[in-house]
Amino acid sequence: EPEVTQTPSHQVTQMGQEVILRCVPISNHLYFYWYRQILGQKVEFLVSFYNNEISEKSEIFDDQFSVERPDGSNFTLKIRSTKLEDSAMYFCASSARDRGGNEQFFGPGTRLTVL
Amino acid sequence: AQKITQTQPGMFVQEKEAVTLDCTYDTSDPSYGLFWYKQPSSGEMIFLIYQGSYDQQNATEGRYSLNFQKARKSANLVISASQLGDSAMYFCAMTVLTGNQFYFGTGTSLTVIP
Repeated sequence: EPEVTQTPSHQVTQMGQEVILRCVPISNHLYFYWYRQILGQKVEFLVSFYNNEISEKSEIFDDQFSVERPDGSNFTLKIRSTKLEDSAMYFCASSARDRGGNEQFFGPGTRLTVL
Repeated sequence: AQKITQTQPGMFVQEKEAVTLDCTYDTSDPSYGLFWYKQPSSGEMIFLIYQGSYDQQNATEGRYSLNFQKARKSANLVISASQLGDSAMYFCAMTVLTGNQFYFGTGTSLTVIP
């Protein structure tokens, strides 16, 4: 069964460093998403991406964040200068179609720890 | 704006018993989808069940069923015959036709007692 994969599973970094979280969405999906879950809190939407551009983003997704689809398979989230409060689980998701009622398939997550 | 509310931070259930996890939602969009995800301690998000706003029947998937009461804007998850492996966090989520993000509730931690 096709699945979303994410690497690394756990990333530890120093405050102020840049990190890139990688995701490989399901191959025939066209819509890609990043979500964040701070420990013990709910999952929060960061950004959605379609046709090589951001289609929607939340207020969390500020200038330190960027997303890219560098090739036909990878979808990356870059955090330019990490802060302590960026420590969270980051989930990538993909879906075959846009808009309401379409299941988003989630990856296993990358746990980011900023020291 | 869309909102999902889960009022039960923690629930306990005896093994083999049924349990209901509450979820209420708020949206002005007439077309939406409701989802339940399970998050075990390992952290991944596992899709359980989906209900569309225009679906006439309540969704069922094995031991999971969704008690959809549209007028009350509730979408409770019912787990029948609980198993020890059901112990996890459970998140209710929704999408709407006019947007493409998921809105999540704060989750319910379910513990199944042997």
